[in-house]
Amino acid sequence: AQSVSQHNHHVILSEAASLELGCNYSYGGTVNLFWYVQYPGQHLQLLLKYFSGDPLVKGIKGFEAEFIKSKFSFNLRKPSVQWSDTAEYFCAENYGGSQGNLIFGKGTKLSVKP
Amino acid sequence: NAGVTQTPKFQVLKTGQSMTLQCAQDMNHNSMYWYRQDPGMGLRLIYYSASEGTTDKGEVPNGYNVSRLNKREFSLRLESAAPSQTSVYFCASRTGRWEETQYFGPGTRLLVL
Repeated sequence: AQSVSQHNHHVILSEAASLELGCNYSYGGTVNLFWYVQYPGQHLQLLLKYFSGDPLVKGIKGFEAEFIKSKFSFNLRKPSVQWSDTAEYFCAENYGGSQGNLIFGKGTKLSVKP
Repeated sequence: NAGVTQTPKFQVLKTGQSMTLQCAQDMNHNSMYWYRQDPGMGLRLIYYSASEGTTDKGEVPNGYNVSRLNKREFSLRLESAAPSQTSVYFCASRTGRWEETQYFGPGTRLLVL
């Protein structure tokens, strides 16, 4: 069965620190990958997505992710975090083809200290 | 556009009671989804509807039923609520095109006592 693994359950950083959140997927076919963010008390919002082409994907709010097929990875990065980035981050993979069914990782909670 | 809306925002049930969670989208999307979110578990797909008139089971369908009432609305029903169904429920929709992502509603927080 397909699975998505996020390595870190809780990450604590100071403002201006660099961020990298790990994500590994298992499905070896055509890969569609996503990072979503959930701010406290809010619903999920799309940060970025990868469907094809340039493996370095840029998203909103200065986030980017790199798709490395050989490592089955899609890590999320940000050079300098802000207190407002405090949220939970979910990696997801489309395993349902055109149906668009997503399988989510368990999430990484990011706490940024001011 | 309101996007994806869900009602109610919060509900408390007693074990054995039934209820229906409502979801509507105004983006003319073909596909709709119901997820549950539990601490440390991420989001898990309960049911989905690829298009109007069709529904299919997801990863955790037991204890739930769904109805795709029309293109806009997709409801989730708990016939006999159990404490294990205490969760936050999210509805999502998507155009159905390959490259499109899902758009999520604000969620319904359900507590089953």
